[in-house]
Amino acid sequence: SYVLTQPPSVSVAPGQTARISCGGNNIGSKGVNWYQQKPGQAPVLVIYSHTDRPSGIPERFSGSNSGNTATLTISRVEAGDEADYYCQVWHSYTDHRVFGGGTKLTVL
Amino acid sequence: EVQLLESGGGLVQPGGSLRLSCAVSGFTFGGYAMSWVRQAPGKGLEWVSAMSGIGTTTSYADSVKGRFTFSRDNSKNTLYLEMNSLRAEDTAIYYCAKERGYGDFSALHIWGQGTMVNVSS
Repeated sequence: SYVLTQPPSVSVAPGQTARISCGGNNIGSKGVNWYQQKPGQAPVLVIYSHTDRPSGIPERFSGSNSGNTATLTISRVEAGDEADYYCQVWHSYTDHRVFGGGTKLTVL
Repeated sequence: EVQLLESGGGLVQPGGSLRLSCAVSGFTFGGYAMSWVRQAPGKGLEWVSAMSGIGTTTSYADSVKGRFTFSRDNSKNTLYLEMNSLRAEDTAIYYCAKERGYGDFSALHIWGQGTMVNVSS
């Protein structure tokens, strides 16, 4: 099975830039999606296919993907960005959708 | 507006069965894959099952294969997740989600609010 590895937590001060990594074997060859989940709420797609943003997602959210690491970058972090973030890919051999373990973003 | 509404969750004993429903509105199934994703209390997201847009192909996580069945009723715009031989570790919030794109370009675009399943004696 395919495994995605995320750091359990990331902390950042308001106005700074947060970077959340997602490691996987040759993940650079895959389309990576990122989801934001706030307490008591359903997940929300914030980045798809490495770099694209769904309608309504601020430009402060961006993504990159190369080699064995994909990264979600949140610029000018706000208190409202505090949430859990999950990366996800499609595993072609099994048709499974695979999630990373999630990263809790804390805004100091 | 696309909306997904799950129902059918509740308390069930180990070894029991439960059928979850996901009523969709604002779009038709054809052309859009759909998935079920669950989240155990205090844990991360776990993909459970997916069905292709035309409804002919389903896939399952190893943890539920052989116990869960994903189906749909096009006339009712409703998806179902039939869960049998339930275990304590199946306790979770279950979400249905509409996908966008295909293969490497697929993503879980729209999510329902979830329904809670509690497997306990």
